[in-house]
Amino acid sequence: GQNIDQPTEMTATEGAIVQINCTYQTSGFNGLFWYQQHAGEAPTFLSYNVLDGLEEKGRFSSFLSRSKGYSYLLLKELQMKDSASYLCAVRDRTNDYKLSFGAGTTVTVRA
Amino acid sequence: EPEVTQTPSHQVTQMGQEVILRCVPISNHLYFYWYRQILGQKVEFLVSFYNNEISEKSEIFDDQFSVERPDGSNFTLKIRSTKLEDSAMYFCASMGQGLHEQFFGPGTRLTVL
Repeated sequence: GQNIDQPTEMTATEGAIVQINCTYQTSGFNGLFWYQQHAGEAPTFLSYNVLDGLEEKGRFSSFLSRSKGYSYLLLKELQMKDSASYLCAVRDRTNDYKLSFGAGTTVTVRA
Repeated sequence: EPEVTQTPSHQVTQMGQEVILRCVPISNHLYFYWYRQILGQKVEFLVSFYNNEISEKSEIFDDQFSVERPDGSNFTLKIRSTKLEDSAMYFCASMGQGLHEQFFGPGTRLTVL
């Protein structure tokens, strides 16, 4: 199975940068995902890493180190609408590609 | 843009009753999933479905649960005899062949009284 850890809450100021860390332990790694979830809504896909390194997509970047079992999501130029829960999820080496989610990090952006 | 749809958005039922949650995955997607999220807790995998059969199910997915793809578009989750602890948001997701991203539906909030 998977053991996925991420901080419970983070607060940052509008326009600032926030980094959300995620550590994982898995029996067979096949990709790490970041999803955004606003309260009462469905998770929406942000990023996918399967190889080590940084993936950049606009204001959001995600980094992966497979040897350390570590990833982070970097949110730049924070906007009020970025206030949400950010979910780290790991996919293992099974045929069904199911996701195992962390508990999520609630980010609050303040003016 | 194609999207996963789910009905109903909210279902209230009495303990012991049967409920069917419905999902229409994105057309031409081949992998289908049900997840649930109890209020304030993490998203949990329930079951995956591929090639017209269950490919994996979690410990949560006991004999009270079943899934069906009755036609080419719908994907349903049935809970035979609901319990109080089944109250949660249930998300359907689908994924295309060769893709990485699972697309989630808006969810059905199930309340068991």
